[in-house]
Amino acid sequence: KAGVTKTPRYLIKTRGQQVTLSCSPISGHRSVSWYQQTPGQGLQFLFEYFSETQRNKGNFPGRFSGRQFSNSRSEMNVSTLELGDSALYLCASSLALAGVYEQYFGPGTRLTVT
Amino acid sequence: EDQVTQSPEALRLQEGESSSLNCSYTVSGLRGLFWYRQDPGKGPEFLFTLYSAGEEKEKERLKATLTKKESFLHITAPKPEDSATYLCAVQAGGTYKYIFGTGTRLKVLA
Repeated sequence: KAGVTKTPRYLIKTRGQQVTLSCSPISGHRSVSWYQQTPGQGLQFLFEYFSETQRNKGNFPGRFSGRQFSNSRSEMNVSTLELGDSALYLCASSLALAGVYEQYFGPGTRLTVT
Repeated sequence: EDQVTQSPEALRLQEGESSSLNCSYTVSGLRGLFWYRQDPGKGPEFLFTLYSAGEEKEKERLKATLTKKESFLHITAPKPEDSATYLCAVQAGGTYKYIFGTGTRLKVLA
């Protein structure tokens, strides 16, 4: 099935390490957004990239960073992992053209920090 | 401040028992309101986009409606496979920012 793909599905890291997640948007989509989801906080917006530029940013510390490449693929990096970073990380892509704004999500990456 | 509130937090229905989920919002310049379905451990699945008050969209047993302050997701004669968390989100007009509600966990009993 074509869609937002993200690697890998499950990750276990140790506190203090860093992790990089990748997201390939649906073909033709120019916007990629990243979210953190935990049972207590729900879906928390991290940042959005549009045409290689960060267009929006949520309220997360600077340890969380991202970038978008010219082919619209995006990466998210978390440095100096903390136990509280354990969560489901989701990316979503959007065509982001006038009148077409819905986001399509990938399966997510379950990150566990020990 | 842009905000989305969903109610109830959780809902248990008997199979065939129709009900509605609510999504109240405050946003500066609504660009669109979106409904998603999320199964445990998976990414949200897009259901509907609503753009203006009075608009309605339908898909199988689901119908979404929109007013200037809230949206409803009506579930008619639900089946156990409709059990999931339903998320509502709005996109602000000026910033393009998406704001998600915390969702309604729906459980449909056979």
